[in-house]
Amino acid sequence: QKEVEQDPGPLSVPEGAIVSLNCTYSNSAFQYFMWYRQYSRKGPELLMYTYSSGNKEDGRFTAQVDKSSKYISLFIRDSQPSDSATYLCAMRLYNNNDMRFGAGTRLTVKP
Amino acid sequence: DTAVSQTPKYLVTQMGNDKSIKCEQNLGHDTMYWYKQDSKKFLKIMFSYNNKELIINETVPNRFSPKSPDKAHLNLHINSLELGDSAVYFCASSPQQQETQYFGPGTRLLVL
Repeated sequence: QKEVEQDPGPLSVPEGAIVSLNCTYSNSAFQYFMWYRQYSRKGPELLMYTYSSGNKEDGRFTAQVDKSSKYISLFIRDSQPSDSATYLCAMRLYNNNDMRFGAGTRLTVKP
Repeated sequence: DTAVSQTPKYLVTQMGNDKSIKCEQNLGHDTMYWYKQDSKKFLKIMFSYNNKELIINETVPNRFSPKSPDKAHLNLHINSLELGDSAVYFCASSPQQQETQYFGPGTRLLVL
């Protein structure tokens, strides 16, 4: 079993839809959880950063962490064509900067 | 005012050659990293450097060697390139260890 599981998609939605992206993980010691967005032929850019369980909202983006289920989600409201990219989840231990990434989910938002 | 920059952007070379990829960050960060992203988009950490000391070294072949002339630079040297080394290599940096990492634009390496 991979340490971090993420459905690679592809996922295609119409403009304005609510998008739900998810990752599961096996190491219950992970404490920090991140979502990165990667446009084609570009480097990953940080979208959301959360510590431990709970929700965090930033504009149209909401990150959720459920440590009891070892499950994290990223919601995108009112999705736009400019949101079309690959979304990578990442996580790491409390005292270790060795980040583990999911495979990335490729999202297309159609106008 | 690029935060994390890498050169070259593209690198095409023959098997057996030795090549280097350069990385520079102007964010004043203490820690820098090298990642490899394969064709399936998996990002795997290769090395990280904190204050010029190697602090992570994943099980990568010793043909790969990171070199940090100063805190703002972390270069990646690759000897005797193999076909399987073809990938996108990303440099990243973070303010301290255990903090969020910021990525460069990537270097696409193709070994023929």
